[in-house]
Amino acid sequence: AAGVIQSPRHLIKEKRETATLKCYPIPRHDTVYWYQQGPGQDPQFLISFYEKMQSDKGSIPDRFSAQQFSDYHSELNMSSLELGDSALYFCASSLIPRVSGELFFGEGSRLTVL
Amino acid sequence: GDSVTQMEGPVTLSEEAFLTINCTYTATGYPSLFWYVQYPGEGLQLLLKATKADDKGSNKGFEATYRKETTSFHLEKGSVQVSDSAVYFCALSLVKTGGTSYGKLTFGQGTILTVHP
Repeated sequence: AAGVIQSPRHLIKEKRETATLKCYPIPRHDTVYWYQQGPGQDPQFLISFYEKMQSDKGSIPDRFSAQQFSDYHSELNMSSLELGDSALYFCASSLIPRVSGELFFGEGSRLTVL
Repeated sequence: GDSVTQMEGPVTLSEEAFLTINCTYTATGYPSLFWYVQYPGEGLQLLLKATKADDKGSNKGFEATYRKETTSFHLEKGSVQVSDSAVYFCALSLVKTGGTSYGKLTFGQGTILTVHP
């Protein structure tokens, strides 16, 4: 079965550079979520989109922005990168938030800021 | 705010030992509860879930019961295997009035489980 695809899997950037992460949800899923997981920490919710509109916002820095496109894939843009942005970034998708609330996660994109 | 608290870790067990990982929650609404597992170098996988009080979620020998009176969702397995070594996250998702979930998951801090042969 198709899963959530994230790219790139690994990314190394310098401070103050920009980075873009991509997420391709499971086919027919219309909701995408972004999470940030620092070393040894639990995943923190950043932002979500439903039908290409922002549906919820968490602890996403102002330096970050995201959008969902017409084909439902999503991109997370990060500018003026800081050392503290080094983390594993997860994308998850679901088909219309359901009673069970189950999300399907990708394998993550590991960002290292030097 | 809504939060999930897991037992302090890490947990180290011998193969075939009994496992309990405690999880309690606070929520302003009526949450759905989940356990996700993260194997080394991989993403988060749903292990089991429960959507209402007294529901029992189960999968791969793991079980957890939604206890509203104690706001808990403890994970148990009767006999762990080396392959169960991973990080386990308890999580909640709030349910809107009308039954559709907000979708956003709030995670606990995770519990590292290591099982030795």
